[in-house]
Amino acid sequence: QVHLVESGGGVVQPGGSLRLSCRASEGSGFTFSRSGMHWVRQAPGKGLEWVAFIQSDESRKDYADSVKGRFTISRDNSRNMVYLQLGSLRAEDSAMYYCAREGSGIVVGAFDYWGQGTLVTVSS
Amino acid sequence: QSALTQPASMSGSPGQSITISCTGTSSDVGDYNYVSWYQQHPDKSPKLIIYEVSNRPSGVSNRFSGSKSGNTASLSISGLQADDEADYYCASDIRSRTLVVFGGGTKLTVL
Repeated sequence: QVHLVESGGGVVQPGGSLRLSCRASEGSGFTFSRSGMHWVRQAPGKGLEWVAFIQSDESRKDYADSVKGRFTISRDNSRNMVYLQLGSLRAEDSAMYYCAREGSGIVVGAFDYWGQGTLVTVSS
Repeated sequence: QSALTQPASMSGSPGQSITISCTGTSSDVGDYNYVSWYQQHPDKSPKLIIYEVSNRPSGVSNRFSGSKSGNTASLSISGLQADDEADYYCASDIRSRTLVVFGGGTKLTVL
């Protein structure tokens, strides 16, 4: 069974920083070091918004325009971890942040596993 | 990149069938066959229920099916059950990375 567990959320003041973590437990057909990973967020009562992506070997990183230059995605394959460093936070960054795996093999072009999310609240 | 267009809400009675639409453009939904659908129950994380327009992951009920015509993808649910009451989101090909867009979501109510 594959599990993604996020942590690091909390309340932070506007302009502040926060680092989110996502730990992956490997299971049948899931090798973390071969998996592209994404962060997706959801503001309270709103829909899903893609935030960032990192290739399995870190050779590629992509960001939504809304967070480019403020957020940084990284990973540590030796620890099965993916991170999202949030900076210059704004009220509109308040959301539940999910890490999600990009499917490979049988499932292509979709997020096949999601974590339970970690809540970020930007407020003074 | 604009969000894909979904109806904000739909409803149906137990046992009925419903179809949720997801409309994009010829640059996203109409351009490839990698539309996916996600089910999200209140206070839960999203769950993949359809990928590549019409494929179901292992363990997903065959009451869920997907299709596409032109720039519009559709999710159909047959034999509605109380547990189908949830929010449903479509998504464009996530392999496009910076062009990943979700639909606005459809809240399904089972009366």
